Amino acid sequence: SQTIHQWPATLVQPVGSPLSLECTVEGTSNPNLYWYRQAAGRGLQLLFYSVGIGQISSEVPQNLSASRPQDRQFILSSKKLLLSDSGFYLCAWLIPGVEAFFGQGTRLTVV
Amino acid sequence: SQQGEEDPQALSIQEGENATMNCSYKTSINNLQWYRQNSGRGLVHLILIRSNEREKHSGRLRVTLDTSKKSSSLLITASRAADTASYFCATDGVDSSYKLIFGSGTRLLVRP
Repeated sequence: SQTIHQWPATLVQPVGSPLSLECTVEGTSNPNLYWYRQAAGRGLQLLFYSVGIGQISSEVPQNLSASRPQDRQFILSSKKLLLSDSGFYLCAWLIPGVEAFFGQGTRLTVV
Repeated sequence: SQQGEEDPQALSIQEGENATMNCSYKTSINNLQWYRQNSGRGLVHLILIRSNEREKHSGRLRVTLDTSKKSSSLLITASRAADTASYFCATDGVDSSYKLIFGSGTRLLVRP
């Protein structure tokens, strides 16, 4: 069956520390993968999306980067976290014209 | 930007009543989708309506789309306490079908 995994569920990191959030998909090949960030009580901001291995499109210039080292793996990273990077991060797999499947999210608190 | 906006931002109704949420967007779209998010969780797909469709039903959900006004509405009939959640519309544009852009959401509270 088609599933999407995202971890960790919660993360508390000090300012200036690195970040690595991982997302993997099962049950499909060459998925379209996305990273969104959601501020408290707000909508989803599209950060990055990828339509294939090594292909990354960035929507918002910021302190984050994304990589897709394998077909079903999408990673969100930062070399040095800022307080403003705190938020709820969601990975998604989009089937265009059908629907998107979301991971359970990572609550990141930068202290 | 094709960012959608929803209204109201928050809605509180009594169980059994109908809930209507509206979404507006800015550019031409291929599809419009509605999602539900329980607090602190990922989003779950509810329904998709294509740009050439005007109305669609799924169980207690009814979605309308008016492409001339660039707007959509989601109606939940006979609401239940379990419908309490945030609801988001999302669009993929004609010029950017790989980008799914979400609105700001409506927080629905259904009181028992």
